[in-house]
Amino acid sequence: EPEVTQTPSHQVTQMGQEVILRCVPISNHLYFYWYRQILGQKVEFLVSFYNNEISEKSEIFDDQFSVERPDGSNFTLKIRSTKLEDSAMYFCASIVAGGTGGFREQYFGPGTRLTVT
Amino acid sequence: GESVGLHLPTLSVQEGDNSIINCAYSNSASDYFIWYKQESGKGPQFIIDIRSNMDKRQGQRVTVLLNKTVKHLSLQIAATQPGDSAVYFCAEKAGNAGNMLTFGGGTRLMVKP
Repeated sequence: EPEVTQTPSHQVTQMGQEVILRCVPISNHLYFYWYRQILGQKVEFLVSFYNNEISEKSEIFDDQFSVERPDGSNFTLKIRSTKLEDSAMYFCASIVAGGTGGFREQYFGPGTRLTVT
Repeated sequence: GESVGLHLPTLSVQEGDNSIINCAYSNSASDYFIWYKQESGKGPQFIIDIRSNMDKRQGQRVTVLLNKTVKHLSLQIAATQPGDSAVYFCAEKAGNAGNMLTFGGGTRLMVKP
């Protein structure tokens, strides 16, 4: 069964450094998402991406964050200058199609654990 | 170091019993409600969804109930198995959102053999 993959599984970085988290969504999917989960807390929406542009973003997704789909398969989340509070699991998700007409199951990747020291 | 997260409510059940996990939601404009299962070290896994114009939906061994009057959602798991042990999250999708999900706080289900 097709699945969303993410690399690396664990990233350790120093405060102030830039990190890029990578995701390969399911190949025929069109909408892509990033969520984060601080240890022991609920999953929080960061951003959605469709047709090579951001369609929605939360207030967490400030100027330090950016997303990109550099080629036909990868979807990346960049944090320009990491802070201690960015330490969390970051999940990528994708769906076949979006829109407001119904619900499409989001398929989540296994996550990247980001640790900022 | 790592921050200490919120303490998750825990439901402990005996294998073979039925489990009921509850969730309160806040947005009256949500048009879909979804249950996800998250096993340790993995991403959320879709279980079942229900549209806001329904009050009950059944899947394989699972039933979701929606009470819009009190903004309450529940997940019933029949004949709970050890493999059901996980954290369960409810999520809601607002009617005007492109499938953006808002997750609830999660409940840890522990199944005793």
